[in-house]
Amino acid sequence: GDSVTQMEGPVTLSEEAFLTINCTYTATGYPSLFWYVQYPGEGLQLLLKATKADDKGSNKGFEATYRKETTSFHLEKGSVQVSDSAVYFCALSKAGSARQLTFGSGTQLTVLP
Amino acid sequence: DAMVIQNPRYQVTQFGKPVTLSCSQTLNHNVMYWYQQKSSQAPKLLFHYYDKDFNNEADTPDNFQSRRPNTSFCFLDIRSPGLGDAAMYLCATSRGQFSEQYFGPGTRLTVT
Repeated sequence: GDSVTQMEGPVTLSEEAFLTINCTYTATGYPSLFWYVQYPGEGLQLLLKATKADDKGSNKGFEATYRKETTSFHLEKGSVQVSDSAVYFCALSKAGSARQLTFGSGTQLTVLP
Repeated sequence: DAMVIQNPRYQVTQFGKPVTLSCSQTLNHNVMYWYQQKSSQAPKLLFHYYDKDFNNEADTPDNFQSRRPNTSFCFLDIRSPGLGDAAMYLCATSRGQFSEQYFGPGTRLTVT
């Protein structure tokens, strides 16, 4: 079945450091890929998405590129802020799949001032 | 702003006492979902409504039920909560079955 594998956390960075959170997926066909962010005590917010190969999703300084050849959708940000501290979930959805969204296990990011 | 609203944000119930969680949306999305999220885990889909059609996940316990009286509202009923049902419950909506989902802030359920 479809699956999403995320980089193990927690990740701790200093403010203004470069962030990469790795995400790879296993799926047949052409899934759409998403990054969701969850701040403490809150629900999930859609951060960015990509619906086809080579698409780049971007939002709030975060970027991720849909790489079909490596089945990856790594999240990057050039300079993190304390306010970026949250849990980040990579996810996929695919037409015809019984499961609407397949989530990765989540990566806790802590940014220190 | 169009949004997904969940009430209450925090709910405490007693072991075995039925509880209902509420979700409403102003996005006019036709699909509504309920997820259970336990600490440090990814959300787990319990069921979803596509319009009025109810779709239960195979491993969702019978203890969990849902109602969708109209497009805007969806309820999660837990008939006899156990200690293991303590979790964050997330409601989400989408336009169509495989487009991005918009999540509410969640209801944190405590079972005493």
